[in-house]
Amino acid sequence: AQKITQTQPGMFVQEKEAVTLDCTYDTSDPSYGLFWYKQPSSGEMIFLIYQGSYDQQNATEGRYSLNFQKARKSANLVISASQLGDSAMYFCAMRERDSSYKLIFGSGTRLLVRP
Amino acid sequence: EADIYQTPRYLVIGTGKKITLECSQTMGHDKMYWYQQDPGMELHLIHYSYGVNSTEKGDLSSESTVSRIRTEHFPLTLESARPSHTSQYLCATGQNTEAFFGQGTRLTVV
Repeated sequence: AQKITQTQPGMFVQEKEAVTLDCTYDTSDPSYGLFWYKQPSSGEMIFLIYQGSYDQQNATEGRYSLNFQKARKSANLVISASQLGDSAMYFCAMRERDSSYKLIFGSGTRLLVRP
Repeated sequence: EADIYQTPRYLVIGTGKKITLECSQTMGHDKMYWYQQDPGMELHLIHYSYGVNSTEKGDLSSESTVSRIRTEHFPLTLESARPSHTSQYLCATGQNTEAFFGQGTRLTVV
């Protein structure tokens, strides 16, 4: 069974608008962490934001925020005020305590910001 | 600023050669990971370690092997490279709320 699901292979957003990238996960471990990464065409993986399963508040980091809905097992990334430089692949990932902290990824969403 | 280093950045090598991809970190993180990724595709976990002398296979079967003799070092070895091993290999480290990646090694086996 897929542990991390990103259902949007590609997304478009107009510059300066907000965009939401979807991520759902599957786990029975009460202790887990959720990560989002950006991968530009250069291939490097850039860490964006982290949400712990016990965190009461949604994580925020500059223009990035994570819409964490624990009961629905979703951890959507919201990018506000999109910029042309936001065009990239975005990956959601999960790390579970009970699987020796294995870090596994979804299939990614390619975001294209239009001028 | 993440202190994780992968060498080489690019490698072109002939079939049958033995290669070792290096990954080092100076953050003292216990957890380290190796991923294989084709361009624009998802990351496949091939090996991980949660501390010194611990190594585990990931979800994608791989002919490579790893070792973790020191906290800061997690090399990946291919005993006999084949064209099917052509890919990008990404190393990552993690601790608590962080997980950072190196720049990656783009391997081409001809």
